[in-house]
Amino acid sequence: EPEVTQTPSHQVTQMGQEVILRCVPISNHLYFYWYRQILGQKVEFLVSFYNNEISEKSEIFDDQFSVERPDGSNFTLKIRSTKLEDSAMYFCASSELWGTDTQYFGPGTRLTVL
Amino acid sequence: DAKTTQPNSMESNEEEPVHLPCNHSTISGTDYIHWYRQLPSQGPEYVIHGLTSNVNNRMASLAIAEDRKSSTLILHRATLRDAAVYYCILSRSSSNTGKLIFGQGTTLQVKP
Repeated sequence: EPEVTQTPSHQVTQMGQEVILRCVPISNHLYFYWYRQILGQKVEFLVSFYNNEISEKSEIFDDQFSVERPDGSNFTLKIRSTKLEDSAMYFCASSELWGTDTQYFGPGTRLTVL
Repeated sequence: DAKTTQPNSMESNEEEPVHLPCNHSTISGTDYIHWYRQLPSQGPEYVIHGLTSNVNNRMASLAIAEDRKSSTLILHRATLRDAAVYYCILSRSSSNTGKLIFGQGTTLQVKP
């Protein structure tokens, strides 16, 4: 069964450094998402992406965050200057259609900012 | 965004049915009811969704009240692997972004 993959599984970085989290969505999916989950808290929506554009972003997704689909398979989340509070699990998801279509989530990348 | 209300936690015995309730009294006519679950240390996983009629799939059943203000996720025979946080989420069919709003969900504990 096709699945969403994410790399790395765990990323440790120093505060102020840039990180890029990578995702490979399911191949025929057109809609891509990033969510994050701070330890012990809810899963929070960050951004949705379609046709090489951001469809919607949350208040969390400020100028320090950016997303890109650099080629036909990868979908990346970049944090330009990490803060301690960016430490969280970051989940990528994809769906074939928008709206109410099922989203398939990756296993997540644990980001630890020291 | 319409909100959902779920109990914080529930317990079940292995191999018994589990009924997980969700209230969504402010649901609109175009809102679909989705259920996802999150096993420990994993990403959320789709379980089932519906609009008005009851739905069945290999994982679970979804019973939707006639007025659509509540729904129940039914696991017919709980296994230890079903221990997870279960999320009831509304998504609007007219939405062009697919954003999912997760609440705290219901933590299901399954006892052997």
